[in-house]
Amino acid sequence: GAGVSQSPSNKVTEKGKDVELRCDPISGHTALYWYRQRLGQGLEFLIYFQGNSAPDKSGLPSDRFSAERTGESVSTLTIQRTQQEDSAVYLCASSDPMVTQYFGPGTRLLVL
Amino acid sequence: RKEVEQDPGPFNVPEGATVAFNCTYSNSASQSFFWYRQDCRKEPKLLMSVYSSGNEDGRFTAQLNRASQYISLLIRDSKLSDSATYLCVVNINPSGGYQKVTFGTGTKLQVIP
Repeated sequence: GAGVSQSPSNKVTEKGKDVELRCDPISGHTALYWYRQRLGQGLEFLIYFQGNSAPDKSGLPSDRFSAERTGESVSTLTIQRTQQEDSAVYLCASSDPMVTQYFGPGTRLLVL
Repeated sequence: RKEVEQDPGPFNVPEGATVAFNCTYSNSASQSFFWYRQDCRKEPKLLMSVYSSGNEDGRFTAQLNRASQYISLLIRDSKLSDSATYLCVVNINPSGGYQKVTFGTGTKLQVIP
């Protein structure tokens, strides 16, 4: 079946612009996660959704970052007024009831 | 203390060697454990779950030691294609019924011809 998909795959933007990243989870997966991974670094947790509520948003680095999820489907991560330090790969994962996470291919964001 | 700790490596081993990675976790309430593999510039992919009794998948063996709060991954007969970063993952269910999943920063393995 279809895996997790993310769009766009690559995004180049100018400092100060807003960007919106999209994640389509595996159908039926109620849990959805967003992570950030800077070059050569580990995964940095951003936010976790269970259904369309976010019981853990402790990893969002600033109020410029927000995320929402429609039902148990698509999620969008929005970064307002982008900064150069926001440049990274943004990974989305969804999980089955056994907690196994399946990752999308990521969105590579470059802020100039 | 970090919730999940791994030796970042790199581990440079010759083809055919056996290599082992450990991962320690701090929360004794941790409930489920996994090893993921991440290739360069790719997303992490599940390698195997880790069961209390230990489990094996071909050349890969995973073990859990709850008393000492660590998990391990053993790779036998290393192949060049095993070169990757191996991520340890720990899950707990804190009160409220939601999942808290923590990834280690990964151990880099380079298998040398």
